[in-house]
Formats: sequence, structure tokens, C-alpha cells
Amino acid sequence: GENVEQHPSTLSVQEGDSAVIKCTYSDSASNYFPWYKQELGKRPQLIIDIRSNVGEKKDQRIAVTLNKTAKHFSLHITETQPEDSAVYFCAASIRAGGGADGLTFGKGTHLIIQP
Amino acid sequence: DTEVTQTPKHLVMGMTNKKSLKCEQHMGHRAMYWYKQKAKKPPELMFVYSYEKLSINESVPSRFSPECPNSSLLNLHLHALQPEDSALYLCASSQGYTQETQYFGPGTRLLVL
Repeated sequence: GENVEQHPSTLSVQEGDSAVIKCTYSDSASNYFPWYKQELGKRPQLIIDIRSNVGEKKDQRIAVTLNKTAKHFSLHITETQPEDSAVYFCAASIRAGGGADGLTFGKGTHLIIQP
Repeated sequence: DTEVTQTPKHLVMGMTNKKSLKCEQHMGHRAMYWYKQKAKKPPELMFVYSYEKLSINESVPSRFSPECPNSSLLNLHLHALQPEDSALYLCASSQGYTQETQYFGPGTRLLVL
């Protein structure tokens, strides 16, 4: 099955600096890679996603890059703000073969924005 | 309505109890999912329903029994659970089957005594 590795497990950055979180996946059939932000006691919220036919996607301060050959994808957050503090999960789709795809998640990165 | 809702928010049950978790979406989504999330861990896929039919069952013990009565509702029936089953149970839905955003509900926090 699909295996998703995520690094680092904890990331502390100064407010205003950039943060980068990296993930690798094992199944070359995976074709969809979302990133979720989860605050304590809340549901995971999608912040950005990328599909396998695209190499990069940007939404304001957030960008994601995908390297299909190397099977890795990364999340970039620029000009970090205190409200960016949360746990971030990367995920990769699990092909179901006729049904909907599920998601396999990385172990998460606790992002801490230091004021 | 652009949300996935789940009831109850919290549930405490004994190992001999039978209870059910409920999930609802009115976005016309065709796929629905159950995930289990233990503290400080990522969500883990349990079940996937596509057009009300079970399409993925990630080797989940039979004490968890999913049901999809219609395209808007998803239930998870619980019976003879163990304390290690205590977790946050998240429901999600997506418009389509592949390369689609999954929207999560707030979850049901389950404690098994």
C-alpha cells in the first residue's frame, strides 16, 4: 500500500520567515496530493492541493511543488504569521480501482511561529 | 449547506454497549469516508463509500460496521469496542471519486471504558 513520509515533525520559525515541509510517497499510481491544516481540537482543513499533471501551485502565501519522478512534494509558506501555527498533514491518494480514492496521511508537522 | 456534520460530538461507551455515529452532508457529494484519528497521530482511512456502495475497507475489525442509507448519510455502528478504539472519528465527503477535495466533519470524540 501507499506510504507517506513527512519531515520535519516539528518546525519552529520566526514570524515573517518562510516554512517548508517535505513529503515523499511510495505508490506511483497516486495522483492527488492535498495538504491539511489541523488546529488543536478542530477538524482537518484543506489549505492547498496539487494534482499529478501539475508541477507547482500557488495560493497567496502558500505554494506546493510536486516532483513525480522523485515521488516527493513540498509545502511552502511565506511571510508566516502567528495564526499559521498548527499541525500540517500531507496526504496522497490511494487508488480504489472503480470506487472513490481514499487518502494516506503523513505523520504531521507541528509548525510553531515564534513572535 | 457547505458543511459535513457529525453527531454526537462526544460519546462515552462501555465495552458491551452498542452505539452509532452519524455523518451527514447536503452538498450532493458522491463519495463519503470514515477516518480514525488517535491523539497526536494522522487520520487513518477506515472505509470509503462510492455511490452508497462500500469500495474500500482498510482491514477494519468487524466491531466497526459502516452503513450508507442514502447519498447524504453515513453511519458507523459500534459494538463490543475495546479501550484502544478510543479516538476521534472523522467523516469526510468529496464531489467525485478521484483527485477530489475531501471535506471533513468536526468528528466524534469517542471514549471506550
